[in-house]
Amino acid sequence: KNQVEQSPQSLIILEGKNCTLQCNYTVSPFSNLRWYKQDTGRGPVSLTIMTFSENTKSNGRYTATLDADTKQSSLHITASQLSDSASYICVVKRNNAGNMLTFGGGTRLMVKP
Amino acid sequence: DAGITQSPRHKVTETGTPVTLRCHQTENHRYMYWYRQDPGHGLRLIHYSYGVKDTDKGEVSDGYSVSRSKTEDFLLTLESATSSQTSVYFCAISETGEGYEQYFGPGTRLTVT
Repeated sequence: KNQVEQSPQSLIILEGKNCTLQCNYTVSPFSNLRWYKQDTGRGPVSLTIMTFSENTKSNGRYTATLDADTKQSSLHITASQLSDSASYICVVKRNNAGNMLTFGGGTRLMVKP
Repeated sequence: DAGITQSPRHKVTETGTPVTLRCHQTENHRYMYWYRQDPGHGLRLIHYSYGVKDTDKGEVSDGYSVSRSKTEDFLLTLESATSSQTSVYFCAISETGEGYEQYFGPGTRLTVT
């Protein structure tokens, strides 16, 4: 079954600290993996998209890694800010699956002052 | 929200009544999608459209129908709303058929009592 599992479900950190969110997937065959940020009451916004050949991709203070062999990805947030408080969703696209994306349940991050 | 509006933003309706949600885009993107988001589940695709009058089912299409008579508008209809359809509904758009980059609307919170 094609699944995307994220951990932890929720996380609280202090402003200025770093954190790492995890994503494990069983989606196959793999096409690409993306991380989205979803603020409360808003739609998801794309942070990064990585294909099979990309191991690391950065977007400002966000760095995503991908290990396609172990089917794992992580999203590292550096020097967290209060505005980083949001849900972070890992999404995997299966190759030859048209427009079907498989979404993880998300990690809810709260950054406290 | 990438030129995407959804209406209404909030709606409370009774079981058995018909409900139509509207998604409007100003980006002239060919592909449009309807998702639902529920606690404990990732976003799940209901229906999508790959052009005017061209639509297809997603993974949770039962109880929903869609129509697209213009490039900019994609309607989601619940013919007879049930409590299990209480959810937050997101519209998304993408330029390419591979869904490489999907842009999400702000969402509609629907409560069926």
